[in-house]
Formats: sequence, C-alpha cells, structure tokens
Amino acid sequence: NAGVTQTPKFQVLKTGQSMTLQCAQDMNHEYMSWYRQDPGMGLRLIHYSVGAGITDQGEVPNGYNVSRSTTEDFPLRLLSAAPSQTSVYFCASSYSMVGGGALNYGYTFGSGTRLTVV
Amino acid sequence: QQPVQSPQAVILREGEDAVINCSSSKALYSVHWYRQKHGEAPVFLMILLKGGEQKGHEKISASFNEKKQQSSLYLTASQLSYSGTYFCGTAHEDLNNDMRFGAGTRLTVKP
Repeated sequence: NAGVTQTPKFQVLKTGQSMTLQCAQDMNHEYMSWYRQDPGMGLRLIHYSVGAGITDQGEVPNGYNVSRSTTEDFPLRLLSAAPSQTSVYFCASSYSMVGGGALNYGYTFGSGTRLTVV
Repeated sequence: QQPVQSPQAVILREGEDAVINCSSSKALYSVHWYRQKHGEAPVFLMILLKGGEQKGHEKISASFNEKKQQSSLYLTASQLSYSGTYFCGTAHEDLNNDMRFGAGTRLTVKP
C-alpha cells in the first residue's frame, strides 16, 4: 500500500502565484486533513474533511481552499501565495466512526511538501 | 486551544527514562501521540480515549488523566532510535473532528 501520497515534495513560488498541493490516499479513509508545520509551532490545522463533499475550516484556513470530490483525493489550493505561507505542509488521513468522528483513530501522514514563497 | 507540552526539549543517555507531558485547558475526548524524525512525517504511536486508560507500545507507554485534562508519555530505558520530536494531539468533544497539536518536545538520546 502506498498510504498517503503528497506531491510535489518541494516547490518554490513567487508572491501572488497560485498552486495546488496534491494529496491522495489508498486506505479508504473517510477523514482527511491538511496541516502546516512551522519551526517552534508544531502542526496547525488548515482544513479537514470527514468524507467526500464535506469540508470544514481548521485553525489557519485563510489563503487556502480545499474540495473533496472523491474519498481518495484532498487537494489544497493556495489562491495567491504570500511569504507567510512558506512552510512544510502535511496531509493526513484516518478512519472515521459511523456518524462522523475521526478522533478515535490514529492519523497516517504523507511525507510532506516543502513550500517556499519568495 | 492548542495543548501545552512540557518540557520543550530533553537530552538523555541511552537507558535513561523520560516523561513528556501534554495538558489542555478544555475537556479532552482523546489524546494522540506521534513521533517525528528530522525531515520525515510524524508517525502515530498511540491514542488514548477518555476514561483514564493507560497504553503501552514496546517501552513507550502513556496515561490519560481525564480530570486533570492531561496526558503523559513515558519512555523507559531509552534507545538511540527514540530520538525525535514528540507531539501530542488533542481532541475535544465540542470541536468535532478538529484535532490540535502541541508545539512538540525534542528528545535527544545520546550513547
């Protein structure tokens, strides 16, 4: 099993450019989420999804969009890149309980995307 | 709403023990523990659900004190492979599927 696959692994953007970070999982997990990791700040939740067609905002959603058209894919879009968005981005997935609630299961993380905005 | 971890960093010799704490200001539903090696993704260690249970994973175990809204990770007889940054993730009953992570504890095990 591939687990959670993120592409690209590295990306350099110019301020104002837009791009999409890809995340795909092959474990039939209903729950998927995006985190950014900055030095000394741990992992901060950007957006999450409890299933296809359902998304919600996390702690730091501004400047990012998501959609979930299939169970497998959960892309993260940067609308107009800013230097403050320079970070390492992780996608994570998990099983979900019947009726929602992914908090009873451990997360599987992708290998990350290192993004630099200049 | 992010949990608070302590200590921020700890240095051990092989065979020594360590405790990492994670506390929350809100009632906890579950606590996750992860380890991240430099340049790699976080790896799931264990999850504790409310009820005050304790779990073990080889020589790494954790407890969950629901009343105190905190969890502790115990590393006994540490090995070089235990080095990395440990994160706790907390979920609260009123936040649905919104899990927040602490800032991490950097553990260094020396020979």
